[in-house]
Amino acid sequence: IAGITQAPTSQILAAGRRMTLRCTQDMRHNAMYWYRQDLGLGLRLIHYSNTAGTTGKGEVPDGYSVSRANTDDFPLTLASAVPSQTSVYFCASSGNINSPLHFGNGTRLTVT
Amino acid sequence: QKEVEQNSGPLSVPEGAIASLNCTYSDRGSQSFFWYRQYSGKSPELIMFIYSNGDKEDGRFTAQLNKASQYVSLLIRDSQPSDSATYLCAVNMRGFGNEKLTFGTGTRLTIIP
Repeated sequence: IAGITQAPTSQILAAGRRMTLRCTQDMRHNAMYWYRQDLGLGLRLIHYSNTAGTTGKGEVPDGYSVSRANTDDFPLTLASAVPSQTSVYFCASSGNINSPLHFGNGTRLTVT
Repeated sequence: QKEVEQNSGPLSVPEGAIASLNCTYSDRGSQSFFWYRQYSGKSPELIMFIYSNGDKEDGRFTAQLNKASQYVSLLIRDSQPSDSATYLCAVNMRGFGNEKLTFGTGTRLTIIP
């Protein structure tokens, strides 16, 4: 089934640990995005990539890094997790930078 | 003022009635408007998008855009219990791609059987 796959589904992580959230899409979409969703704050963009080989910072990029080595994969790395990074993380993609977003199922991350 | 504002609800509507969800935005240069539905514990899914002033209909859903008044609304006719969800409004500014897409915090809709 075409779509976006995120892994893991959920994770409990000790503060200070490094963690990579995985995101893979098979729709050959050019653009990919990472959002975090927190109660009362809505969806906020962390990083994005308009095409393979390029990345950009979103609204809340601090503490996160991304890479886009190919069209399909867009991993998000927390170098040293902090409790404020406890959130639900959604990966999304779009055919181009103006077309509607398609979301993955999300990763629920708890940093203790 | 928030860039995209929605009434957080909850909005309760009897089954079979029309549910009306509203969204206002601050940037007059906005050009693309999206409505997403998010069930509890699930990811957002696209319901409709609209670019031009006026109404756009898709089945039981109608999106209405008024750029002069800076609001976009979503009407759900013949509301069903399965429509109970949080509805997110998203707005994009003219000249920018999705990296500038701004989401509202969502309106929680409950359809009462």
